[in-house]
Amino acid sequence: DAGVIQSPRHEVTEMGQEVTLRCKPISGHNSLFWYRQTMMRGLELLIYFNNNVPIDDSGMPEDRFSAKMPNASFSTLKIQPSEPRDSAVYFCASSLTASGNTIYFGEGSWLTVV
Amino acid sequence: SQELEQSPQSLIVQEGKNLTINCTSSKTLYGLYWYKQKYGEGLIFLMMLQKGGEEKSHEKITAKLDEKKQQSSLHITASQPSHAGIYLCGADKIGSSASKIIFGSGTRLSIRP
Repeated sequence: DAGVIQSPRHEVTEMGQEVTLRCKPISGHNSLFWYRQTMMRGLELLIYFNNNVPIDDSGMPEDRFSAKMPNASFSTLKIQPSEPRDSAVYFCASSLTASGNTIYFGEGSWLTVV
Repeated sequence: SQELEQSPQSLIVQEGKNLTINCTSSKTLYGLYWYKQKYGEGLIFLMMLQKGGEEKSHEKITAKLDEKKQQSSLHITASQPSHAGIYLCGADKIGSSASKIIFGSGTRLSIRP
């Protein structure tokens, strides 16, 4: 069975450029999460969706970050404009909604902003 | 807000030795998850605990949740090089209409041959 699929796996971009990260959740899962991982701050929840609706975006660091989920099988995380401090691994994860359901992670998108 | 603290932050263990990683919450845990991460890879689900006093095992890894549901431990018996990686505990944080999982800072485990 396909797991959570993220793209790109690696991206290097120049400061000021727009970055778009993509995620395909596991089929049938109705919750989707975007996390960011850095050495300094660990794994942080940025935003999560339930049935395609953003539920909590309090973890989104700045207005430069935005996330969308136009349908149940696709989500994007966009950074515009990107800055060097945005360099991190961005993980997408999905689960069934109910509390106590395991969330499954993609392999991450490694972003480097130079 | 709920926070998770993991200890130790890093651990170097001789191959074959046992080890324990702890995860402590400031609030009652509704669900406690253990994940493992290898460098350059995503998080792999290990176990989930929900009930006070619950204990689960998978191969040589055992996780426990205390009766008060505020502390969990992960125990590895007879460690092997394949156990090396970062172990993260995550807690179910109840939201308005869906739950979300927050994570501790992780424990970096190295196995010395």
